[in-house]
Amino acid sequence: AQKVTQAQTEISVVEKEDVTLDCVYETRDTTYYLFWYKQPPSGELVFLIRRNSFDEQNEISGRYSWNFQKSTSSFNFTITASQVVDSAVYFCALSEALRDDKIIFGKGTRLHILP
Amino acid sequence: DTEVTQTPKHLVMGMTNKKSLKCEQHMGHRAMYWYKQKAKKPPELMFVYSYEKLSINESVPSRFSPECPNSSLLNLHLHALQPEDSALYLCASSQVVARGETQYFGPGTRLLVL
Repeated sequence: AQKVTQAQTEISVVEKEDVTLDCVYETRDTTYYLFWYKQPPSGELVFLIRRNSFDEQNEISGRYSWNFQKSTSSFNFTITASQVVDSAVYFCALSEALRDDKIIFGKGTRLHILP
Repeated sequence: DTEVTQTPKHLVMGMTNKKSLKCEQHMGHRAMYWYKQKAKKPPELMFVYSYEKLSINESVPSRFSPECPNSSLLNLHLHALQPEDSALYLCASSQVVARGETQYFGPGTRLLVL
């Protein structure tokens, strides 16, 4: 069973639209961490956010916002007023006690922002 | 400064060649990682170094040989690779190896094995 599920393989939206990328995770730990990374065509994985399991506050950073809901095991990512530069693959990831050294990545969502 | 650098950016090699990938970080991190990423897939962990010692080898074939000469440098030596080893190789670092530590990634080396 997948520990991190990103059900949306590919999304296309027109520039300036809002878009939400879904992430559902599975863990038995009470203490765990969730991440979002962005991978533009250049290839580098860019760290966006880390959230621990005890902090359910939503986070906003400019046009980016994250909605963490333990009740539904989800950690969704919304881009407001999307821009062409937001086009990338976005990975949601989980860090749990079973493997301290390993980040478990979802399969990623490829986001196309159309001009 | 959260920068991890990798050289070269691109590499083409034959199956009999020997080459090395290099990774460097100056953030004082004591954990460094090698990942392999095939097209349209998430990164797959290959090796973990903690305080310059190899702590995890994810059953990687011996034609990949990692080396950590010091706390800032990580190499991946390549020998007798196969075409299916063509991929993006990503290096990452974190402060230490621990649950929840943020890993910072380099830009990667795109490797093509002919």
